[in-house]
Parts: sequence; C-alpha cells; structure tokens
Amino acid sequence: DTAVSQTPKYLVTQMGNDKSIKCEQNLGHDTMYWYKQDSKKFLKIMFSYNNKELIINETVPNRFSPKSPDKAHLNLHINSLELGDSAVYFCASSQATFTGSEQYFGPGTRLTVT
Amino acid sequence: AQTVTQSQPEMSVQEAETVTLSCTYDTSESNYYLFWYKQPPSRQMILVIRQEAYKQQNATENRFSVNFQKAAKSFSLKISDSQLGDTAMYFCAFESSNTGKLIFGQGTTLQVKP
Repeated sequence: DTAVSQTPKYLVTQMGNDKSIKCEQNLGHDTMYWYKQDSKKFLKIMFSYNNKELIINETVPNRFSPKSPDKAHLNLHINSLELGDSAVYFCASSQATFTGSEQYFGPGTRLTVT
Repeated sequence: AQTVTQSQPEMSVQEAETVTLSCTYDTSESNYYLFWYKQPPSRQMILVIRQEAYKQQNATENRFSVNFQKAAKSFSLKISDSQLGDTAMYFCAFESSNTGKLIFGQGTTLQVKP
C-alpha cells in the first residue's frame, strides 16, 4: 500500500507548455506539502495545505499553482514551463502542522524541461 | 530567518564502523523540532530520527543517535555499525513551531564501503 503517491514519476516537456503533477495520500493526514529539489539536491518547501487551506506559500513564481480538492489530494499545476523549472518535485504529508510531525514523502516527480 | 548548515558535502565509512554527520542551525526561537532524513539512490525521503528542542535527552533509534547541543545550535547524527544500506544522502532539517516550515540543510552524501 503506497502511503503517498505521485503521478507521473517522470515528465519531459518543452518550454512554454503547461503541466500538472498529482499527489494522493492514504494516511488520513491533514497536512500536505510540495517541495522542489534542484540539481544540487537542495530541498525547498514551496507550498503547504492543511485541510484544503493554504498555510505556507513560499516565494515561488505565480506560474506554480497548487490545488487541493480534498485533504487526501494536492496537485501542482505549472504554467509556461521554463528551463529553470527542471527539478524533482516531492509531495509529502503529515498528521498535523506546527507540531514537528514526521513528514511522509512521495517518490518524487522528475520534471525535465527542454 | 532560520538556516541549516551541513559542512560536510561527502563522507565515507567502512562497513561496521561508526560515523558522525554534523549539522548546525540558526534560529532565535526556543521551541522547534530537528530531524535527520535519509535519501538513498532510490530518491525516496525517509525519516531517520527526530528531536524536540525542549527535550534535553538525545534521541536514539537503533543504530542512529543524535548529539543535540541546544546552546551551540548543533545537531549531529551518529551512525553505529554502519551498513551498506546506509549509503545515502543525509539531510538535517529544522521545523519552526511558529511557521510549520521544514528547512533543510544542503545534505551530506555518505558512502559505506565494504
């Protein structure tokens, strides 16, 4: 049973396209996150949702838009893709926020923009 | 702003020996959480160990233990009896109880040699 799943695992696309990455968790957690891991393996939080409400919104281009249809799903839509968007994107979930709960990560989506 | 620094980009250790990974952080908060996450070549992020800042006792999980020095803002990870499966990138991370944001260090690549 996969706890946090992401689709697709790999995504190759051209500059200027729009793409989405989907994330689902079956752990019953209230909080979900998106992280970006760059080519140097540096991990940075992008967004966090708690019970479908946006609670963390880091300084990312507004071409990136998260959407949480319910607390088990958090999708990431990216408009007008640029070369610099190439990275691995991780979804994660935790039982709660502000409490140091363990975050469970998905397998990551490697996005390559050509 | 909080920062997390891992000063050792790469380390290696012989199987069955002990290795210590360093981490320092900077914060003005008194209540926070610290973590070590592991990312093996499979890319999956896995929690290794967690420490609550208000607890003086160092956390331990089987072969993994930490040396938490709150005044020095230091949080090192000790791996005893290293195994080949410990080969991975290790990330130190800080979570503020005010913002709920998980901030990662740059990572240390650990190679366990047979």
